[in-house]
Parts: sequence; C-alpha cells; structure tokens
Amino acid sequence: EAGVAQSPRYKIIEKRQSVAFWCNPISGHATLYWYQQILGQGPKLLIQFQNNGVVDDSQLPKDRFSAERLKGVDSTLKIQPAKLEDSAVYLCASSQDLGYNEQFFGPGTRLTVL
Amino acid sequence: AQKVTQAQTEISVVEKEDVTLDCVYETRDTTYYLFWYKQPPSGELVFLIRRNSFDEQNEISGRYSWNFQKSTSSFNFTITASQVVDSAVYFCALKRETSGSRLTFGEGTQLTVNP
Repeated sequence: EAGVAQSPRYKIIEKRQSVAFWCNPISGHATLYWYQQILGQGPKLLIQFQNNGVVDDSQLPKDRFSAERLKGVDSTLKIQPAKLEDSAVYLCASSQDLGYNEQFFGPGTRLTVL
Repeated sequence: AQKVTQAQTEISVVEKEDVTLDCVYETRDTTYYLFWYKQPPSGELVFLIRRNSFDEQNEISGRYSWNFQKSTSSFNFTITASQVVDSAVYFCALKRETSGSRLTFGEGTQLTVNP
C-alpha cells in the first residue's frame, strides 16, 4: 500500500513570495490533515478535511494560508505572502475517517523563508 | 483545553539500556485517546500505539511497553534493551472522543542511543 506522498521535499523562498505544497493521501482515506511543525516543537494542526469539506481550520492563519481539496483526494496548501516565521516542516497526514483511527503521515516539506 | 507535556527534551543512553519516556496530559474529557508517534531523522511520523481512556491495561509490543495511569494523567513509554535504530524524536499526543477532533501533540523527546 502506497503511503502519503508530498512534494516538494524542500523549498527555499524569499519573504513575501508565494509557495504551494501538494499532498496525495493514502487511497480511500477520507480525512486529510495539514500540520505545521516548527523546529523543536510538536506538529500543530492547520486544517483538516473530510472528503472535500473543511472540518477544522481554526488554527490556520487565513490572512496568508489557504488550502483546498477540490475532488476529495489530493490537497494543496498555499502560503501567500510568506513570512520568516513560516519556516517549518509542513506535514500532510490521512486517516480512514474522522474517528479515532490512526493518522498516517507523509515525509513532509521543509520550508525555509529567507 | 487540552495539553500534553513531555518534560524530557533530550535523553541519551547507551545501547542495551532501558529507557522511559514520560508523558503527562491534561483534559476535562472523560473519554479520550492517547497516542505515541516516532519521528526518525527522515521526518515521517510513525504511529506506535493508540490507547483509549477507559482501557488502563498496560501494553507490551516486543521491546516497547506502555504504562497508562489515569490517576496521574500519565502515559509513559518504555523501550527495553534500546538499540541505535531507536534514536528518534518521540511524540505523545491526545485526541478527544468527539468525531473530527484534532490531535494535540507534546513537544517531543529526542532519544539518542549510542553504541
């Protein structure tokens, strides 16, 4: 079974530029999550989708971050414009549904904002 | 509000030693779920265990064991006879019973096992 795929693995941009990350969850998984992990900290949930609907985006900085999952499969997370404090690893995860099932994580995208 | 505290930022042991990683949580819910994840240098979080709040039985899986004590709000993780491959960051996490609720992670414990 293929795992959660993410691209790119690394990205370096200047502040005020835009960037987008892509995630392909495990086939058949209805729930998709985006996390931000700042160096030395635990992951923090940014947004959670159930199919193509948003379940929880309460911790997403909506003035600069956006995410979509149009067909209920792949998802894109965008930052526009980026700030220095956005430097982090962005992790995508998926689970079968909204319950207590385990979440499977992708390898993450390491973003450096200069 | 929910909170997970992993007081040990870094632990260093020599191979074959036993090591315990501490996790203390706070929640007002009576039903919840606790998790442990491993994050090796490659960066991908790997699921280790899920425990329901109403099941306080300890669990053993090979060299790994977990001790859940509701009375002290702790869910500690022990690795017996540690190996170099156990070197990673370990995260404890908490999730409410409510469908769609988020995972709240602790800050993680960096475990280094030296040969």
